Amino acid sequence: AIQMAQSPSSLSASVGDRVTITCRASQGIRNELAWYQQMPGKAPKLLIYGASSLQTGVPSRFSGAGSGTDFTLTITSLQPEDFATYYCLHDYNFPWTFGQGTTVAIK
Amino acid sequence: EVQLMESGGGLIKPGGSLRLSCTTSGFSFSNYEYNWVRQAPGKGLEWISYISGRGSYMFYADSVQGRFTISRDHANGIIYLQMNSLRVEDTALYYCARGYVEAGATLLDVWGKGTTVTVAS
Repeated sequence: AIQMAQSPSSLSASVGDRVTITCRASQGIRNELAWYQQMPGKAPKLLIYGASSLQTGVPSRFSGAGSGTDFTLTITSLQPEDFATYYCLHDYNFPWTFGQGTTVAIK
Repeated sequence: EVQLMESGGGLIKPGGSLRLSCTTSGFSFSNYEYNWVRQAPGKGLEWISYISGRGSYMFYADSVQGRFTISRDHANGIIYLQMNSLRVEDTALYYCARGYVEAGATLLDVWGKGTTVTVAS
C-alpha cells in the first residue's frame, strides 16, 4: 500500500499568516490527491481534489500543488475558522490512505 | 437537502459482529460511489472501504480485509458495512462518504456525522 507522510504533525500560527502543509507519497501518484479539513467533533470537509482543484465553495486562500510524490496545501492569510486538522488522501489505487494529519493551532 | 446518515453503531464484545447502515437522501443514489472512513478516538482518519456505482467493485483496507463487507441497496438508497470478527482496535467513529470522479480525480464531497463503534469486553 502507498504510504502518505504528512508534515508537520502540528503547527502554531497567527491570524494572517501563510501556512504550508506537505504530503509525500511513498511512490508516484500522479495528481491523485485530495486535502480535507476537519474541525473538532465534525466530519471532514473536502478542500482540494486532483492535487490543485478547489472544491466549490472553498475560499480561494486555500490552494494545492504538486504531482508525483510531493504535494502541498497552502493557506494564505490564515483566518480564525481555519484552525483545524488537515489531512491528505491519495486515491491513486486501492487501498487509499490518509496522511497522519496536521493540526493548525492558534499561536 | 443532500444527506448521509450513519446508524448501527454500539458496544460489542471482541469477536462479535455489527452491521452499519448509511442512509442517503436528497440526491440520486445510483450516480455515486461510497466509502467508509473511520477515526479511532484521538487519532487520524483511516479509509477502510469503497463500493462502486453499480456495486460491482469493492475494495478494503488491509486492516479490515476478510472481516468487513461493504454492500449497497439500490432500492432504498442505503450503504451497509457488515463487520465481523471485531477487534478492540476497530473501536472508532465510522463515517460514510459519498464519492464521484471528476476529471480523473475522486471527490468525497458529502459525509455523514458518523456512528460510534466500541469493541470491548
